[in-house]
Amino acid sequence: KAGVTQTPRYLIKTRGQQVTLSCSPISGHRSVSWYQQTPGQGLQFLFEYFSETQRNKGNFPGRFSGRQFSNSRSEMNVSTLELGDSALYLCASSKRTGGAGETQYFGPGTRLLVL
Amino acid sequence: AQSVTQPDIHITVSEGASLELRCNYSYGATPYLFWYVQSPGQGLQLLLKYFSGDTLVQGIKGFEAEFKRSQSSFNLRKPSVHWSDAAEYFCAVGAQGGANNLFFGTGTRLTVIP
Repeated sequence: KAGVTQTPRYLIKTRGQQVTLSCSPISGHRSVSWYQQTPGQGLQFLFEYFSETQRNKGNFPGRFSGRQFSNSRSEMNVSTLELGDSALYLCASSKRTGGAGETQYFGPGTRLLVL
Repeated sequence: AQSVTQPDIHITVSEGASLELRCNYSYGATPYLFWYVQSPGQGLQLLLKYFSGDTLVQGIKGFEAEFKRSQSSFNLRKPSVHWSDAAEYFCAVGAQGGANNLFFGTGTRLTVIP
């Protein structure tokens, strides 16, 4: 079974631009979560999408948004990029069967550099 | 709110030596606990998880972890470290109340010397 895939793997943008990252979950997984990883703040939860709806959101500004499609693929968008948005963005998928403590499986990440 | 503390930022061990990485969590009820490993430039790979039951959990690559409620700990162990184990290790606790996200510790970087 193929794992979680993320595209692109690397991205360079300049301040003020916007960016869209893509994530394809493991087949059969309906939940996609996004995390930001930086040296200073570590791994922080951005949001979760399930059944095309945002179910949970971390403490990030509104410049960070996402969506999920009917095939469970998800995109996240960051508008008006700032230098501090440079990070590794990780996507994770899970089955979301309703049970507690489901395992999340992570993709390789997209490394975003904002100049 | 849930939180995880990994007190060791960096650990160096010799190949073949035993390893223990510490993890302490903060949560009132029974937590859902995970250990992930991240190699440079890569995503996170699940090593093992604890939901309930036997407090000693076996994972992949020869790793195990023990849940100790009295100490609020979930330490990761391996009896004999291999050079390929050099990576960053993250302990995480799962959110409760229907949420699906993880709260991560700050990670422990493991260096293995020959």
